[in-house]
Amino acid sequence: EIVLTQSPGTLSLSPGERATLSCRASQTVSNSYLAWYQQKPGQAPRLLIYGASSRATGIPDRFSGSGSGTDFTLTISRLEPEDFAVYYCQKYGGSPPITFGQGTRLEIK
Amino acid sequence: DVQLVQSGAEVKKPGESLKISCKGSGYRFTTYWIGWVRQMPGKGLEWMGVLYPDDSDTRYSPSFQGQVTISADRSITTAYLQWSSLRASDTGMYYCVRQGSLGAYFDYWGQGTLVTVSS
Repeated sequence: EIVLTQSPGTLSLSPGERATLSCRASQTVSNSYLAWYQQKPGQAPRLLIYGASSRATGIPDRFSGSGSGTDFTLTISRLEPEDFAVYYCQKYGGSPPITFGQGTRLEIK
Repeated sequence: DVQLVQSGAEVKKPGESLKISCKGSGYRFTTYWIGWVRQMPGKGLEWMGVLYPDDSDTRYSPSFQGQVTISADRSITTAYLQWSSLRASDTGMYYCVRQGSLGAYFDYWGQGTLVTVSS
């Protein structure tokens, strides 16, 4: 089973700043089957990025994903107030199980 | 619009049984996999298992195999997650999710069902 480790655990930034979130896998993620989700308090998660770099429908272009192999990054170019949330990376594809990282909390500084 | 609408919050005692539901609409229910995800209080996301409504092919995470049962009723486009004997450690939020294929990412999520197990 592939283990995903996200860093940092908590990121404190101000609106307008750039956020860089990391997700490292214990083994190569084949075909870049890596997704990112955003979860706001009291809400279900929502899909942001799939295939490491493809934005889901309706996701603003300030969100971008990159990486391959074992190292992946979610970048938010200019933080908006509504972007402060918890972000999870996910390895999918092939046979189950599907695994998640432990999450990065993005908080207002 | 694609929607996954889950049943309401439940409060149960240890040892009781429970079945929660997830009704899909706005898409062809039988041609997408439906999965379940657990989130324990203040914790992260855990994939539990997935079912293909067209033929009821079901796969479970090793962590949840034998602990829960996933099923579906195609006639009413509804998937289910059930427990035969709840434990306090089953307390958490449960989300149903849609997957375009086995092992795919989750493109739609239900709103969640909070299950509380307490004596």
